[in-house]
Amino acid sequence: AQSVAQPEDQVNVAEGNPLTVKCTYSVSGNPYLFWYVQYPNRGLQFLLKYITGDNLVKGSYGFEAEFNKSQTSFHLKKPSALVSDSALYFCAVRDMRTGANNLFFGTGTRLTVIP
Amino acid sequence: NAGVTQTPKFQVLKTGQSMTLQCAQDMNHEYMSWYRQDPGMGLRLIHYSVGAGITDQGEVPNGYNVSRSTTEDFPLRLLSAAPSQTSVYFCASSPHRGGTYEQYFGPGTRLTVT
Repeated sequence: AQSVAQPEDQVNVAEGNPLTVKCTYSVSGNPYLFWYVQYPNRGLQFLLKYITGDNLVKGSYGFEAEFNKSQTSFHLKKPSALVSDSALYFCAVRDMRTGANNLFFGTGTRLTVIP
Repeated sequence: NAGVTQTPKFQVLKTGQSMTLQCAQDMNHEYMSWYRQDPGMGLRLIHYSVGAGITDQGEVPNGYNVSRSTTEDFPLRLLSAAPSQTSVYFCASSPHRGGTYEQYFGPGTRLTVT
């Protein structure tokens, strides 16, 4: 079975501090992993992806994620959080069975950056 | 370039009514999909299409129909609405080939079934 898990429903961090939003995955073979962000009453926006190559992936708005194969993790990070980073974050993995770009999403982590 | 558009933004239905959620994209993407978002459950795939005339079921297809007569449009039909279909619905699109896997999402349709 293919899936991702986001163990934290809520993450609070002070503005200016580093942030981490956790994601672990379960797939057969090499995973294609994604992070999306959802601002209130909006659709999802793509942040970054890992397909192959360097384990540290850089994305939009200063976010990065580290792919760790031994720990089956793909945690989202940012060195210095902004209040505007407050949003709902989803980790996702591509369904490799169909050949289509179908995604399995985690349950989401709500990030609150405290001024 | 409008990206992915969805109509309506909000809809209230009574149990048993039918309706169609509209989705259109102007990026010439072959792949289009419908997800529903429920609290604590993330997004779940309802149906998807990899090109005009081709559709397939996702994780939660029951109670929904789709068709893909053009590259641009991918409507989602609720045949007989049930309260369990109260949700936020998102349409998404992406290229089907070429190594670009990220999807572009519409703004969503919030549906309430009473």
